[in-house]
Amino acid sequence: AQSVTQLDSHVSVSEGTPVLLRCNYSSSYSPSLFWYVQHPNKGLQLLLKYTSAATLVKGINGFEAEFKKSETSFHLTKPSAHMSDAAEYFCVASNDYKLSFGAGTTVTVRA
Amino acid sequence: GAVVSQHPSRVICKSGTSVKIECRSLDFQATTMFWYRQFPKQSLMLMATSNEGSKATYEQGVEKDKFLINHASLTLSTLTVTSAHPEDSSFYICSASLASARYEQYFGPGTRLTVT
Repeated sequence: AQSVTQLDSHVSVSEGTPVLLRCNYSSSYSPSLFWYVQHPNKGLQLLLKYTSAATLVKGINGFEAEFKKSETSFHLTKPSAHMSDAAEYFCVASNDYKLSFGAGTTVTVRA
Repeated sequence: GAVVSQHPSRVICKSGTSVKIECRSLDFQATTMFWYRQFPKQSLMLMATSNEGSKATYEQGVEKDKFLINHASLTLSTLTVTSAHPEDSSFYICSASLASARYEQYFGPGTRLTVT
Protein backbone atom coordinates (compact mmCIF):
# COMPACT_ATOMS: atom_id res chain seq x y z
CA ALA A 1 0.00 0.00 0.00
CA GLN A 2 1.13 3.53 -0.57
CA SER A 3 -0.04 6.95 0.52
CA VAL A 4 0.86 10.55 -0.13
CA THR A 5 0.74 13.42 2.34
CA GLN A 6 0.90 17.02 1.25
CA LEU A 7 1.88 18.90 4.34
CA ASP A 8 0.34 22.24 3.42
CA SER A 9 -3.23 22.69 2.27
CA HIS A 10 -2.59 26.30 1.30
CA VAL A 11 0.56 28.23 0.45
CA SER A 12 0.61 31.98 -0.18
CA VAL A 13 3.66 33.69 -1.67
CA SER A 14 4.53 37.06 -3.12
CA GLU A 15 5.31 37.28 -6.81
CA GLY A 16 9.02 36.83 -7.41
CA THR A 17 9.66 34.90 -4.17
CA PRO A 18 10.41 31.18 -3.86
CA VAL A 19 7.71 28.55 -3.66
CA LEU A 20 8.00 25.35 -1.63
CA LEU A 21 5.32 22.66 -1.68
CA ARG A 22 5.98 19.74 0.63
CA CYS A 23 5.13 16.13 -0.07
CA ASN A 24 5.88 12.94 1.83
CA TYR A 25 5.07 9.46 0.66
CA SER A 26 4.92 6.04 2.17
CA SER A 27 5.31 2.94 0.11
CA SER A 28 6.45 -0.62 0.43
CA TYR A 29 9.01 0.08 -2.28
CA SER A 30 10.23 3.03 -4.29
CA PRO A 31 7.29 4.35 -6.25
CA SER A 32 7.24 6.65 -9.23
CA LEU A 33 6.40 10.15 -8.09
CA PHE A 34 4.74 13.00 -9.91
CA TRP A 35 3.68 16.58 -9.42
CA TYR A 36 0.63 17.81 -11.29
CA VAL A 37 -0.90 21.28 -11.49
CA GLN A 38 -4.59 21.99 -11.94
CA HIS A 39 -5.99 25.36 -12.85
CA PRO A 40 -9.68 26.06 -12.09
CA ASN A 41 -12.06 23.84 -14.05
CA LYS A 42 -9.19 22.28 -15.95
CA GLY A 43 -7.61 18.85 -16.05
CA LEU A 44 -4.26 17.94 -14.57
CA GLN A 45 -1.04 18.99 -16.22
CA LEU A 46 2.16 17.10 -15.49
CA LEU A 47 4.89 19.32 -14.04
CA LEU A 48 7.54 16.67 -13.51
CA LYS A 49 8.11 13.03 -12.65
CA TYR A 50 10.61 10.88 -10.80
CA THR A 51 11.12 7.32 -11.99
CA SER A 52 14.26 6.12 -10.17
CA ALA A 53 16.74 8.03 -12.27
CA ALA A 54 18.24 11.36 -11.14
CA THR A 55 16.99 12.41 -7.71
CA LEU A 56 16.76 16.08 -8.70
CA VAL A 57 14.07 16.37 -11.31
CA LYS A 58 13.50 19.46 -13.42
CA GLY A 59 10.06 20.12 -14.82
CA ILE A 60 8.21 22.69 -16.83
CA ASN A 61 7.75 26.36 -15.95
CA GLY A 62 10.83 26.48 -13.76
CA PHE A 63 9.67 23.89 -11.23
CA GLU A 64 11.90 21.21 -9.81
CA ALA A 65 11.63 18.53 -7.16
CA GLU A 66 14.10 16.46 -5.21
CA PHE A 67 13.53 12.85 -4.26
CA LYS A 68 14.96 12.07 -0.83
CA LYS A 69 14.57 8.43 0.03
CA SER A 70 15.89 8.82 3.57
CA GLU A 71 13.19 11.40 4.28
CA THR A 72 10.54 9.80 2.01
CA SER A 73 9.99 13.25 0.58
CA PHE A 74 9.46 14.75 -2.86
CA HIS A 75 9.15 18.49 -2.30
CA LEU A 76 8.39 20.83 -5.18
CA THR A 77 10.18 24.15 -5.52
CA LYS A 78 10.37 27.15 -7.80
CA PRO A 79 12.85 29.97 -7.22
CA SER A 80 10.55 32.80 -8.32
CA ALA A 81 6.76 32.62 -8.30
CA HIS A 82 4.72 34.07 -11.13
CA MET A 83 1.09 35.12 -10.98
CA SER A 84 0.25 32.31 -13.40
CA ASP A 85 1.48 29.77 -10.83
CA ALA A 86 -1.67 30.31 -8.77
CA ALA A 87 -3.38 26.92 -8.95
CA GLU A 88 -3.91 23.61 -7.18
CA TYR A 89 -0.94 21.25 -6.98
CA PHE A 90 -1.09 17.51 -6.46
CA CYS A 91 1.70 15.18 -5.42
CA VAL A 92 1.05 11.69 -6.78
CA ALA A 93 2.66 8.30 -6.24
CA SER A 94 2.36 5.41 -8.64
CA ASN A 95 2.75 1.75 -7.96
CA ASP A 96 2.41 -0.06 -11.25
CA TYR A 97 -0.74 1.49 -12.69
CA LYS A 98 -2.66 2.79 -9.70
CA LEU A 99 -2.13 6.37 -8.57
CA SER A 100 -2.32 7.68 -5.02
CA PHE A 101 -3.09 11.39 -4.81
CA GLY A 102 -2.20 13.80 -2.10
CA ALA A 103 -4.98 16.07 -0.87
CA GLY A 104 -3.62 18.99 -2.86
CA THR A 105 -2.04 22.34 -2.05
CA THR A 106 -3.64 25.58 -3.14
CA VAL A 107 -1.09 28.18 -4.16
CA THR A 108 -1.98 31.85 -4.20
CA VAL A 109 0.42 34.47 -5.50
CA ARG A 110 0.26 38.03 -4.20
CA ALA A 111 1.21 40.88 -6.49
CA GLY B 1 2.28 13.84 -27.73
CA ALA B 2 0.06 11.87 -25.31
CA VAL B 3 -2.99 14.10 -25.55
CA VAL B 4 -6.29 13.06 -24.03
CA SER B 5 -9.54 14.83 -24.84
CA GLN B 6 -12.94 14.75 -23.19
CA HIS B 7 -16.32 15.66 -24.57
CA PRO B 8 -18.33 17.52 -23.56
CA SER B 9 -16.42 19.93 -21.35
CA ARG B 10 -19.63 20.97 -19.62
CA VAL B 11 -23.06 19.40 -19.52
CA ILE B 12 -26.27 20.23 -17.74
CA CYS B 13 -28.96 17.59 -17.56
CA LYS B 14 -32.24 17.10 -15.77
CA SER B 15 -32.64 14.71 -12.89
CA GLY B 16 -33.54 11.22 -14.07
CA THR B 17 -31.86 11.47 -17.46
CA SER B 18 -28.62 9.82 -18.56
CA VAL B 19 -25.53 11.54 -19.83
CA LYS B 20 -22.53 10.16 -21.68
CA ILE B 21 -19.00 11.49 -21.40
CA GLU B 22 -16.36 10.54 -23.96
CA CYS B 23 -12.65 10.20 -23.34
CA ARG B 24 -10.28 9.89 -26.29
CA SER B 25 -6.55 9.39 -26.60
CA LEU B 26 -5.71 11.49 -29.64
CA ASP B 27 -2.21 10.43 -30.59
CA PHE B 28 -1.60 7.12 -28.87
CA GLN B 29 -3.31 3.84 -28.14
CA ALA B 30 -4.36 3.60 -24.53
CA THR B 31 -4.43 0.09 -23.18
CA THR B 32 -5.90 1.29 -19.92
CA MET B 33 -8.19 4.21 -19.17
CA PHE B 34 -9.25 5.55 -15.81
CA TRP B 35 -12.22 7.56 -14.62
CA TYR B 36 -11.96 9.92 -11.68
CA ARG B 37 -14.40 12.11 -9.86
CA GLN B 38 -13.42 15.33 -8.17
CA PHE B 39 -15.54 17.23 -5.66
CA PRO B 40 -14.93 20.96 -5.12
CA LYS B 41 -11.62 21.69 -3.44
CA GLN B 42 -10.84 18.00 -3.07
CA SER B 43 -8.46 15.57 -4.66
CA LEU B 44 -9.31 13.10 -7.41
CA MET B 45 -11.14 9.92 -6.48
CA LEU B 46 -10.63 6.91 -8.71
CA MET B 47 -13.96 5.48 -9.82
CA ALA B 48 -12.93 2.70 -12.16
CA THR B 49 -10.22 1.27 -14.37
CA SER B 50 -10.99 -0.07 -17.81
CA ASN B 51 -8.96 -2.09 -20.25
CA GLU B 52 -9.88 -2.22 -23.90
CA GLY B 53 -12.29 -5.01 -24.67
CA SER B 54 -12.92 -6.08 -21.09
CA LYS B 55 -15.19 -5.09 -18.25
CA ALA B 56 -14.23 -2.17 -16.06
CA THR B 57 -12.97 -2.68 -12.54
CA TYR B 58 -14.83 -0.44 -10.14
CA GLU B 59 -13.49 0.93 -6.88
CA GLN B 60 -15.26 0.11 -3.68
CA GLY B 61 -18.40 2.18 -3.19
CA VAL B 62 -18.85 3.05 -6.87
CA GLU B 63 -22.11 1.73 -8.32
CA LYS B 64 -21.33 -0.01 -11.58
CA ASP B 65 -24.95 0.05 -12.69
CA LYS B 66 -25.07 3.79 -12.24
CA PHE B 67 -21.73 4.62 -13.81
CA LEU B 68 -21.49 2.55 -16.97
CA ILE B 69 -18.06 2.40 -18.52
CA ASN B 70 -17.32 1.18 -22.01
CA HIS B 71 -13.84 0.87 -23.48
CA ALA B 72 -14.61 -0.35 -26.96
CA SER B 73 -11.38 0.67 -28.64
CA LEU B 74 -7.81 1.59 -27.79
CA THR B 75 -8.60 5.28 -28.21
CA LEU B 76 -12.07 5.68 -26.74
CA SER B 77 -13.70 5.12 -23.39
CA THR B 78 -17.12 6.36 -22.35
CA LEU B 79 -18.69 6.98 -18.98
CA THR B 80 -22.48 7.05 -18.84
CA VAL B 81 -24.13 8.41 -15.74
CA THR B 82 -27.53 6.74 -15.68
CA SER B 83 -30.61 8.22 -14.04
CA ALA B 84 -28.59 11.18 -12.88
CA HIS B 85 -29.41 12.97 -9.64
CA PRO B 86 -28.16 16.29 -8.26
CA GLU B 87 -25.67 14.48 -6.02
CA ASP B 88 -23.98 13.17 -9.19
CA SER B 89 -23.02 16.72 -10.07
CA SER B 90 -19.25 16.79 -10.11
CA PHE B 91 -16.11 17.20 -12.18
CA TYR B 92 -15.28 13.97 -14.00
CA ILE B 93 -11.75 13.44 -15.30
CA CYS B 94 -10.45 10.59 -17.40
CA SER B 95 -6.88 9.49 -17.93
CA ALA B 96 -5.09 7.01 -20.13
CA SER B 97 -1.88 5.05 -19.96
CA LEU B 98 0.33 3.08 -22.31
CA ALA B 99 1.16 -0.56 -21.91
CA SER B 100 4.84 0.37 -22.00
CA ALA B 101 4.48 2.89 -19.15
CA ARG B 102 1.60 1.82 -16.97
CA TYR B 103 2.80 3.97 -14.09
CA GLU B 104 2.21 7.23 -15.98
CA GLN B 105 -1.24 8.54 -16.80
CA TYR B 106 -2.21 11.32 -19.19
CA PHE B 107 -5.22 13.29 -18.06
CA GLY B 108 -8.09 14.75 -20.00
CA PRO B 109 -9.33 18.30 -19.36
CA GLY B 110 -12.35 17.13 -17.40
CA THR B 111 -16.12 17.36 -17.76
CA ARG B 112 -18.27 19.47 -15.46
CA LEU B 113 -21.61 17.73 -14.94
CA THR B 114 -24.48 19.62 -13.38
CA VAL B 115 -27.73 17.80 -12.67
CA THR B 116 -30.74 20.02 -12.06
